[in-house]
This record gives sequence, C-alpha cells and structure tokens, in this order.
Amino acid sequence: AQSVTQLGSHVSVSEGALVLLRCNYSSSVPPYLFWYVQYPNQGLQLLLKYTSAATLVKGINGFEAEFKKSETSFHLTKPSAHMSDAAEYFCAVSDGRTGRRALTFGSGTRLQVQP
Amino acid sequence: EPEVTQTPSHQVTQMGQEVILRCVPISNHLYFYWYRQILGQKVEFLVSFYNNEISEKSEIFDDQFSVERPDGSNFTLKIRSTKLEDSAMYFCASSVGLEGTYEQYFGPGTRLTVT
Repeated sequence: AQSVTQLGSHVSVSEGALVLLRCNYSSSVPPYLFWYVQYPNQGLQLLLKYTSAATLVKGINGFEAEFKKSETSFHLTKPSAHMSDAAEYFCAVSDGRTGRRALTFGSGTRLQVQP
Repeated sequence: EPEVTQTPSHQVTQMGQEVILRCVPISNHLYFYWYRQILGQKVEFLVSFYNNEISEKSEIFDDQFSVERPDGSNFTLKIRSTKLEDSAMYFCASSVGLEGTYEQYFGPGTRLTVT
C-alpha cells in the first residue's frame, strides 16, 4: 500500500521568498512521484514528475523537486515566489512499475503568497 | 495543447437518480481514469480503464458505479442511484499508457451535488 503525507495544510510566504512544500511517501515498491497544482475552480495541472531518472526534477513555472530515497521525501521548491503561485499543491504517488497506475494523493497544501 | 474536457461542469440531482458524467480524454491516450474529491478531503482514485475494460478499481467503486467508452472519444462515469455522500468533484484523467509514461492529465472536473 502507498501513502503520501504533506506536512502543512497551509503555507504562507512573501513574494520573492523561497517556497518549500513538503511531501513524504510510503511505498513498498520504487515509486513514481508527481506534483500537481490546482488553481481555484480549475482541474489538476501536472507540475513535475519523478520516474527514476534524475533525482532532481525540474517542472513548469520554475518549480523543482528532489527525490530523496533515504528520507522517502519529494519536496517541492521554488527559489522566488510569485503572486500567481497562490494555489493548492498536491503530491501523488503511484507504483506504476507493478502495472498499477492509480495515483494516491496527499491531502494538499494551500500556498498563499503575500505581497 | 490537447486537454481533457468534462461535461457538465456542475450537475445537481436528487437522491436516488442516475447521473452520467462525461469526459473526452486526450485523443492519443490509452488509459482513462476517474477520481473524486469530496469537499475538504483528499483526491481519491475510483477506477482506471484500458483496452475497453476496467484495469483497476478502488473500494469506493462499488456496484452503483460503472464506466463506459461508448465511442472513440467519450469516457463516461455512471452512478446508478445517487446518495447524498456522492456529492463531490469528479475528475477525469488520461495518460498515454506507454512504458515509462505514467503521468496523468486531468480535466477541470464536474461538481456533483446530490440533494
């Protein structure tokens, strides 16, 4: 069974500050990991993915995430927050290597960006 | 850029009625999915569909739910006899399905309200 824990349901940063959204996973097999963003009244947009290539993954809008197997973590970062980054962010895991593709989501982190 | 579309955006129905939620996945994708998000809760996997059959389903996906690909473009979720607890945002997603490509692309969702 897989699970995802996102620490902090709400994170508030100032515009221009570092964004760090935490995600820890539990999986019995090597995971595939994803970050999705949801803007108000919209669907889930893929930010980035880890599928066993480079451990540092770059995504859209300046976000990146680092897969750390020893810490079972896949934290999302952005060096400088922009007002337009305000949204809800979801970490998700699948064990696609077994043929199972269902995504298990974390509970989400709402990012606020203060001017 | 191709995207997943869903109709309607909002559906209101009475308890016990049947509803059909419709999705048009991205055209060259082979795997299709339904997820739901009850207000304030996590996004939950319901079912995946590949090669005209269910490939995986969760415990939530009981006999009151069914999926169908009635033609070459649509993918539908039917709820036979809606309950109050079926009120949620329902997301359709699709993925290419090739080895090594497990990311899923989501539609904007259908908000189902059961009264």
